[in-house]
Amino acid sequence: EAGVVQSPRYKIIEKKQPVAFWCNPISGHNTLYWYRQNLGQGPELLIRYENEEAVDDSQLPKDRFSAERLKGVDSTLKIQPAELGDSAVYLCASSLVWWGSTNEKLFFGSGTQLSVL
Amino acid sequence: SQQGEEDPQALSIQEGENATMNCSYKTSINNLQWYRQNSGRGLVHLILIRSNEREKHSGRLRVTLDTSKKSSSLLITASRAADTASYFCATDASPEGGSRLTFGEGTQLTVNP
Repeated sequence: EAGVVQSPRYKIIEKKQPVAFWCNPISGHNTLYWYRQNLGQGPELLIRYENEEAVDDSQLPKDRFSAERLKGVDSTLKIQPAELGDSAVYLCASSLVWWGSTNEKLFFGSGTQLSVL
Repeated sequence: SQQGEEDPQALSIQEGENATMNCSYKTSINNLQWYRQNSGRGLVHLILIRSNEREKHSGRLRVTLDTSKKSSSLLITASRAADTASYFCATDASPEGGSRLTFGEGTQLTVNP
């Protein structure tokens, strides 16, 4: 079974440029997450989708970040324009969540390492 | 914001020794999970312990949970060089179900051969 697939693996851009990350979750997983991980720290949630609906985007900096999950499968995360402080690893994760259940484990992709120069 | 705090930040041991990492958190939780992250890779789920459980085992891993102290520990017995990685605790405090994991800053474990 394929795991969570992310692309690109690395991205180097200049500040003020746009950038997009793509994620393909594990087949059948209805919940998808985007996390940002700064160097030496744990991941921080940016947005969580249940199927096509963004159910938790309270941590997403909406002035420059946007995300979509068309058809409830693949997802893209976009930054426009990028700033120096956006340099980080962007991790996508997925899980299969049953309504009312609170014991789901997440499956992570390898991440996209973004460097903004 | 980070809910969990791991201790120590870094741990270096010899192969065959046991490694213990601790995690403290601030709010009531549904469950607590431990993940491992090898350098340059994504996180891999290790073990989940529910709020009504006190101890759980999986292979060489032993996790304890003390909800009165809001703390957890991860013990890796008979460590191997391949256990070298960062270890993160993550707490799920979402009231409505589903997972909204909040990760700590991690413990960097180095196992020397």
